[in-house]
Amino acid sequence: QKEVEQNSGPLSVPEGAIASLNCTYSDRGSQSFFWYRQYSGKSPELIMSIYSNGDKEDGRFTAQLNKASQYVSLLIRDSQPSDSATYLCAVISLQGAQKLVFGQGTRLTINP
Amino acid sequence: GAGVSQSPRYKVAKRGQDVALRCDPISGHVSLFWYQQALGQGPEFLTYFQNEAQLDKSGLPSDRFFAERPEGSVSTLKIQRTQQEDSAVYLCASSPRSGWKETQYFGPGTRLLVL
Repeated sequence: QKEVEQNSGPLSVPEGAIASLNCTYSDRGSQSFFWYRQYSGKSPELIMSIYSNGDKEDGRFTAQLNKASQYVSLLIRDSQPSDSATYLCAVISLQGAQKLVFGQGTRLTINP
Repeated sequence: GAGVSQSPRYKVAKRGQDVALRCDPISGHVSLFWYQQALGQGPEFLTYFQNEAQLDKSGLPSDRFFAERPEGSVSTLKIQRTQQEDSAVYLCASSPRSGWKETQYFGPGTRLLVL
């Protein structure tokens, strides 16, 4: 079992709809959770970070964390074509010396 | 301000050659990380520095991989006797302080192709 798992997609969503991206992790010691966006041929760019259970909203983005279920998600409201990218879920474990452990990424396409 | 920079951006090497990849972190950033990203996969951790100290090198795939950060700023990742399976994008990231809440800022990466 991979430490961080994501559905690799592709996930196709019409413009203006809500895109929902999901991630599960296996290490119960995980403390920090991050969503990065990566355009093709570019480096990862931080979208959201979340550290405690519940929801965290930033503009059109909402991150949700459920430590009991070892589940973290990212919702993108009013999806735009510019949101088309690969979304990487990453976690940091207290035992991990601050290294990010990434999932394989979900490729999201927003259709105009 | 300037972000993380990496050079070269692209490197083609013949199998068996040695390569050196450079990372210039954001000025003043204490923590520096190297990741390897294969095509279609998420980045995988290679090694971590806090200032000049290499605190974790558990992700280095073999003893052909070596990293250093002698003065606590610029870092070099060296791969000896390159193999085809070393072909990947090598990403460097830095963060202002050590700590599990710190954001890691990524450089543009070096795309290595071993023929």
